[in-house]
Amino acid sequence: EVHLEESGGGLVEPGRSLRLSCTGSGFTFDNFAMHWVRQAPGKGLQWVSGISWTSATTVYADSVQGRFTISRDNSKNSLFLEMNNVEEEDTAFYYCAKDTGGTVETWIQFENWGQGTLVTVSS
Amino acid sequence: SYDLTQPPSVSVSPGQTASITCSGDNLGEKYISWYQHKPGQSPVMVIYQDTKRPSGIPERFSGSNSANTATLTISGTQALDEGDYYCQALDTTVVFGGGTRLTVL
Repeated sequence: EVHLEESGGGLVEPGRSLRLSCTGSGFTFDNFAMHWVRQAPGKGLQWVSGISWTSATTVYADSVQGRFTISRDNSKNSLFLEMNNVEEEDTAFYYCAKDTGGTVETWIQFENWGQGTLVTVSS
Repeated sequence: SYDLTQPPSVSVSPGQTASITCSGDNLGEKYISWYQHKPGQSPVMVIYQDTKRPSGIPERFSGSNSANTATLTISGTQALDEGDYYCQALDTTVVFGGGTRLTVL
């Protein structure tokens, strides 16, 4: 059974940094693209970033481009999101999601999701 | 930017058919996925590539996509189907619809 578990959320001040992690199990981690998707309080789902199976390709939403960095360590079945210069608008539950394929250029679909980790940006 | 439009809410009686629409320019040329999201739980993919059901998703969930509209259809709707439903596509970036709250009453 596929299991994704996020960690690293918490309270952070505007302008500071935070690193989220996600560990996957129950599947061959390095065969699949991985993503971060967030949901702000009372709002809908918003895709944040994705990374291909080899880390060759990374993609970002315009709202986080230049501030967030996605990465992965396939040897540890782990996905990361480095969040720099955070803004109050970044307050949300952050979900780690597994794609159905290995790339992020053709199509993107979120087959499995973690439980999420809450990031609150406030002074 | 590319927009996907969903009705904010849909109501259905138990046992009846619920239809949730998702509209966008030339949407039929893109692959659509649908996700169910219940409060306090993580989202679940119920349809991908317009019409395919992931393993474990009941047959009462089906999807279609043509021209400018994709539709998620739930036949014989049950109380446990209540929740928020989101459509999603890939344009120059990943796009989600605004979500539809399905109420079974």
